[in-house]
Amino acid sequence: KAGVTQTPRYLIKTRGQQVTLSCSPISGHRSVSWYQQTPGQGLQFLFEYFSETQRNKGNFPGRFSGRQFSNSRSEMNVSTLELGDSALYLCASSNGQGRAYEQYFGPGTRLTVT
Amino acid sequence: SQKIEQNSEALNIQEGKTATLTCNYTNYSPAYLQWYRQDPGRGPVFLLLIRENEKEKRKERLKVTFDTTLKQSLFHITASQPADSATYLCALEVGNTGFQKLVFGTGTRLLVSP
Repeated sequence: KAGVTQTPRYLIKTRGQQVTLSCSPISGHRSVSWYQQTPGQGLQFLFEYFSETQRNKGNFPGRFSGRQFSNSRSEMNVSTLELGDSALYLCASSNGQGRAYEQYFGPGTRLTVT
Repeated sequence: SQKIEQNSEALNIQEGKTATLTCNYTNYSPAYLQWYRQDPGRGPVFLLLIRENEKEKRKERLKVTFDTTLKQSLFHITASQPADSATYLCALEVGNTGFQKLVFGTGTRLLVSP
């Protein structure tokens, strides 16, 4: 099975711009979660989508949003970029059913805001 | 406040020895705890999952313990190899069924020297 793919892998944006990141989950997985990873804060949960619905949300401002399509692919959008948004953005997929399911992570998108 | 603590300093050990990594948490009541491995520039990879009613779980050279009284998990790698060098993250699964999320520790970097 193909793994989780994320595009683009690297991105440089300017403060104030917006950005959209894309994630294709493992075939058959209906849950997609997004995380932000920085050296200072570590890996932090942004939100999870399951069957096109946001099922859970972390403590991030409304500038961070996402959506999931009927084929389970997901996009994450950050508007009005700030320097502090520079991070590795990781998406993870899982079957999302019940409890105790492991997450399969993609390689991440490295976002640099200048 | 809720916290997950892992040793922030790198753990240096010699090849062949057993590496023991610690994950302590406060003000969480996780039903499950997971361990992931992350190599530089890559997404985390799932290693092991342990339930709150399990004391110990093994997989090949890996062993995880989970003590809900001490609020601690220990992660052991026996007969360590240089290829085991990576950052290891513990993650607590918290929240109600269907709305759970993973909360990650900041990780411990393991360096295994030949």
